Amino acid sequence: QSALTQPASVSGSPGQSITISCSGTSSNVGGYNLVSWYQQLPGKGPKLLIYEDNKRHSGLSLRFSASKSGNTASLTISGLQIEDEADYYCCSYAGGVTLVFGGGTKLTVL
Amino acid sequence: EVQLVESGGHLIQPGGSLRLSCEASGFNFGERGMHWVRQVPGKGLEWVAGISWGSNTKNTADSVKGRFTISRDNARNSLFLQMNSLRPEDTAIYFCAKEAGGSWYTHWALENWGQGTLVTVSS
Repeated sequence: QSALTQPASVSGSPGQSITISCSGTSSNVGGYNLVSWYQQLPGKGPKLLIYEDNKRHSGLSLRFSASKSGNTASLTISGLQIEDEADYYCCSYAGGVTLVFGGGTKLTVL
Repeated sequence: EVQLVESGGHLIQPGGSLRLSCEASGFNFGERGMHWVRQVPGKGLEWVAGISWGSNTKNTADSVKGRFTISRDNARNSLFLQMNSLRPEDTAIYFCAKEAGGSWYTHWALENWGQGTLVTVSS
């Protein structure tokens, strides 16, 4: 149950696009179409953004999109806004009743 | 409105035991899988344990296997985490979370989270 690998930090300017990667193995990310992404604002609980690799949770802005290729999933945020500054986590189903999270990526909007 | 309210966290000595509870409301609890996820303040999320709607399938992370047990009582809309042989590295905020999906099916994502309960393991 090794954690998925995410960059520790990414940054971008308002209006730009950024992509956060999430690397796993064929036992998790690459083995199922079940990657989810979460946003955690400072002092708050996590909020579901994306499920089943690329499906937006209800009400999510179209600025958020996700994809997957092999054992690597990606979250893209376009038209960056100040309020997007947060920690982002990927998560994958790993068989049975098991989930595995990435280490998290801190997004800074400069 | 979905509500998940955790309780039971407090300061405990290494080697001690603690039982966390999560009281659920606003949805058909018995039709959804549930999970515990923890977070050391300032650090990342770590999945701890999960249980299917009927309790027939459950699992725990390798880091807590043999020490933590997840269970649920659908009649009381409650989720539990029995934590034994606690270690300082178990110190974290513990969240309960509900699977996204519908009645008896899941997207294997966590769409609702509680506010968390803090467990501190220290002498």
